[in-house]
Amino acid sequence: DGGITQSPKYLFRKEGQNVTLSCEQNLNHDAMYWYRQDPGQGLRLIYYSQIVNDFQKGDIAEGYSVSREKKESFPLTVTSAQKNPTAFYLCASSAVALQETQYFGPGTRLLVL
Amino acid sequence: DQQVKQNSPSLSVQEGRISILNCDYTNSMFDYFLWYKKYPAEGPTFLISISSIKDKNEDGRFTVFLNKSAKHLSLHIVPSQPGDSAVYFCAASDRDDKIIFGKGTRLHILP
Repeated sequence: DGGITQSPKYLFRKEGQNVTLSCEQNLNHDAMYWYRQDPGQGLRLIYYSQIVNDFQKGDIAEGYSVSREKKESFPLTVTSAQKNPTAFYLCASSAVALQETQYFGPGTRLLVL
Repeated sequence: DQQVKQNSPSLSVQEGRISILNCDYTNSMFDYFLWYKKYPAEGPTFLISISSIKDKNEDGRFTVFLNKSAKHLSLHIVPSQPGDSAVYFCAASDRDDKIIFGKGTRLHILP
């Protein structure tokens, strides 16, 4: 079954702690994306990767970091520098970079304790 | 500055009637438009798209209309069903840029 998986579904972070959100896809897609959704807001792009070992900042990259060591994996680290990390985080992928239809994972809700 | 605008945060429609969700954009370079549907606590799912060379695309109960001169597109759902209750995101892209999403419109289908 092809798709995108994100784990965990819920994640709790203490003040000053870094946490890493997992995103895996077995669709053989080149491009992967991380979005953040807040109440009343659309999806805002954090980082995206068009190809392995390459990634670019999106609109709200501050306080986040990513890596793309493997085609199927694009983990997102929410660092302690991110002052308002509580949000719903969505990972997506697309067959061709920066184009058209993106397929989304189920999301991870991050809560700060 | 929002390039993709969904000015109605919510919309209520009677079951069986037509739902019309609207979206405006400001960037004339956008050449591809998409609609996504999202249920609470889930990722968005792709619904329907339209290229800028067309003015209409239909898929079952869903039709997207594009008016390039007005920089406006709309999603029509007919007949509306209870399972259509969700948040709908309009999105746009050009060939050299990432997809830009609107803020979404929450659609409530009333029994």
